[in-house]
Amino acid sequence: SQTIHQWPATLVQPVGSPLSLECTVEGTSNPNLYWYRQAAGRGLQLLFYSVGIGQISSEVPQNLSASRPQDRQFILSSKKLLLSDSGFYLCAWSVPRGLDEQYFGPGTRLTVT
Amino acid sequence: GQSLEQPSEVTAVEGAIVQINCTYQTSGFYGLSWYQQHDGGAPTFLSYNGLDGLEETGRFSSFLSRSDSYGYLLLQELQMKDSASYFCAVQAGNTGKLIFGQGTTLQVKP
Repeated sequence: SQTIHQWPATLVQPVGSPLSLECTVEGTSNPNLYWYRQAAGRGLQLLFYSVGIGQISSEVPQNLSASRPQDRQFILSSKKLLLSDSGFYLCAWSVPRGLDEQYFGPGTRLTVT
Repeated sequence: GQSLEQPSEVTAVEGAIVQINCTYQTSGFYGLSWYQQHDGGAPTFLSYNGLDGLEETGRFSSFLSRSDSYGYLLLQELQMKDSASYFCAVQAGNTGKLIFGQGTTLQVKP
C-alpha cells in the first residue's frame, strides 16, 4: 500500500533562517507531487507541483522553492524565512495524470518567530 | 482567474441532512473534488465529479452541474464525527493540480 511521510511534524524557526521540509512517498512510482500551504482557518494554497524528477511548476512567486531529486522525494526550501511563511505545510501525491484523488501527508506546522 | 465560493460555516443537528454548496470560476475545468479536514489533521478525499450528475458514497453524495459552474456535497444522517471543515476543489488542468475553496466549517450538534 502507498504511504506518504512528512517531517518534521512541527517546527519553530526565527525570521531569516533557512527551511527544509521533506516529503517522501512509498508504494507507488512516478507520482505527481504537490506542496500546499494552509494559513489558520483558511483553504489550501498550492505552492508547487511536480510531474517528474526535476520538473517543478511554481504557482505562487515567493521566497520558497521546491526540488524533486528523486522520483518519490519532494523538498520545500527557503533561504530566509519571513513571518508570513508561518502555516501548515502539506505534501500530497496523486497517480500520474491523476484527475481525482490526492493523498495528503500528515503536514508540518511551521511557526516563524 | 480562478475562484471558488462556499459558505464559511454551517450548523446542523445529529441525524439531519446538510448540503454544502460550491460555485466556481475557472478555465480548463476537469472536475470538482471534495475533501474533509478535521481540526489539526490533513485533508482526506471524499468524492470527485468529472461529469454532471450525482455521485453517491455511503452517507455522502456530491453533485455537479458544469453548465452552472456549481456543485454541492450532501451529508446525510449526520454524526458528531462529521464535525470538520469541508473543501471543494477544482481540477484546473490535466496535471492533477487542485484549486481549493476557503472551506466550510460544519458543526454537528447533539
